[in-house]
Amino acid sequence: GDSVTQMEGPVTLSEEAFLTINCTYTATGYPSLFWYVQYPGEGLQLLLKATKADDKGSNKGFEATYRKETTSFHLEKGSVQVSDSAVYFCALLQYSGGGADGLTFGKGTHLIIQP
Amino acid sequence: EAGVVQSPRYKIIEKKQPVAFWCNPISGHNTLYWYLQNLGQGPELLIRYENEEAVDDSQLPKDRFSAERLKGVDSTLKIQPAELGDSAVYLCASSLDRPGPNTGELFFGEGSRLTVL
Repeated sequence: GDSVTQMEGPVTLSEEAFLTINCTYTATGYPSLFWYVQYPGEGLQLLLKATKADDKGSNKGFEATYRKETTSFHLEKGSVQVSDSAVYFCALLQYSGGGADGLTFGKGTHLIIQP
Repeated sequence: EAGVVQSPRYKIIEKKQPVAFWCNPISGHNTLYWYLQNLGQGPELLIRYENEEAVDDSQLPKDRFSAERLKGVDSTLKIQPAELGDSAVYLCASSLDRPGPNTGELFFGEGSRLTVL
């Protein structure tokens, strides 16, 4: 079946550091790829997405590029802030039959940014 | 526009007791999902509805879990009887699965945190 593997946390960085959170996936066909973020005490929110190979999703300074050749969707940000502290989930969405199936999530990466 | 609404936010029960969670999706969203999120893990799909039809319930433990979405709008997830291992966050999400740039984007509620003692 489909699966998503992301780097284990927690990841602790200083403010203004460069961030990479690795994500690789196993899936048949051409899934869409997502990064969701969960801030403390809040629900999951879509951060960015890419629907086909070589697409780059971006939002709030975060970027991720859909790499089919390496089955990866790594999340990057050039300069992190304390407010970026959260749990980040990589996910994929498969399509079958008449529509989209449910998201398959990675285990999440807890990001801690220190001032 | 209101987001996905779930209740209760928190529930503490003793094992073998029943519990129910309610979800009201975003207006007009035809697809509704229930996910289970254990501590330190990613959400796992329990059941997916398209309108009032459960189109994927393969991961729902049917001996104790049940769900319904009778009018194709709000939904209820029930556990009876609850076990210690059911302690987790139960997430509801909805999406508007029609062709377009937002196809497949899921919107999540804040979740219902269950503690079974």
